[in-house]
Amino acid sequence: GAVVSQHPSWVICKSGTSVKIECRSLDFQATTMFWYRQFPKQSLMLMATSNEGSKATYEQGVEKDKFLINHASLTLSTLTVTSAHPEDSSFYICSAWTTANTGELFFGEGSRLTVL
Amino acid sequence: KNQVEQSPQSLIILEGKNCTLQCNYTVSPFSNLRWYKQDTGRGPVSLTIMTFSENTKSNGRYTATLDADTKQSSLHITASQLSDSASYICVAYTGGGNKLTFGTGTQLKVEL
Repeated sequence: GAVVSQHPSWVICKSGTSVKIECRSLDFQATTMFWYRQFPKQSLMLMATSNEGSKATYEQGVEKDKFLINHASLTLSTLTVTSAHPEDSSFYICSAWTTANTGELFFGEGSRLTVL
Repeated sequence: KNQVEQSPQSLIILEGKNCTLQCNYTVSPFSNLRWYKQDTGRGPVSLTIMTFSENTKSNGRYTATLDADTKQSSLHITASQLSDSASYICVAYTGGGNKLTFGTGTQLKVEL
């Protein structure tokens, strides 16, 4: 089946630094990718929708200058958490959408960010 | 406003027992409904996808139902196992504009 790879799976960084998370669709082209944030014991919270070659669409309340999203190719999207602070510590998950069949959404394994 | 509501919020059952999770959706236009299983610290994995014309779909011990008239879906788990402990997320897809609406999930715990 289709696979979405997310890297790194976990990262620890100092407050004030920037962290980049990659999301790759390994065996299909994804015109649309989504980024989510998830706090413990809570459901996924959509942060932004990323379409290849265009600017990401951010959900209300998500700072676009804080969470930079780039979708430069049909198989890669990146999320950069800029000037990270401890409150940015969370589980970040990406998903990639393929229009094959009825449309399918595949999720990455997630990236655990801890900001010290 | 598109919404997906799930119940119960959390559930604890004994191993071997059956359970049913509920999902009510209000999305327009409706295209299909998906159930995902998310293990702690992992990404969600698809269980079923149901279009408006499908009433029931099974995937092993998981059986999903869909009533497009009442806009309700359920996920029935038969003979639960400890490995079924996870969060189950219902997602409605509107089709036009690739809009997905996520439910808040049901946290299931299966105990001995």
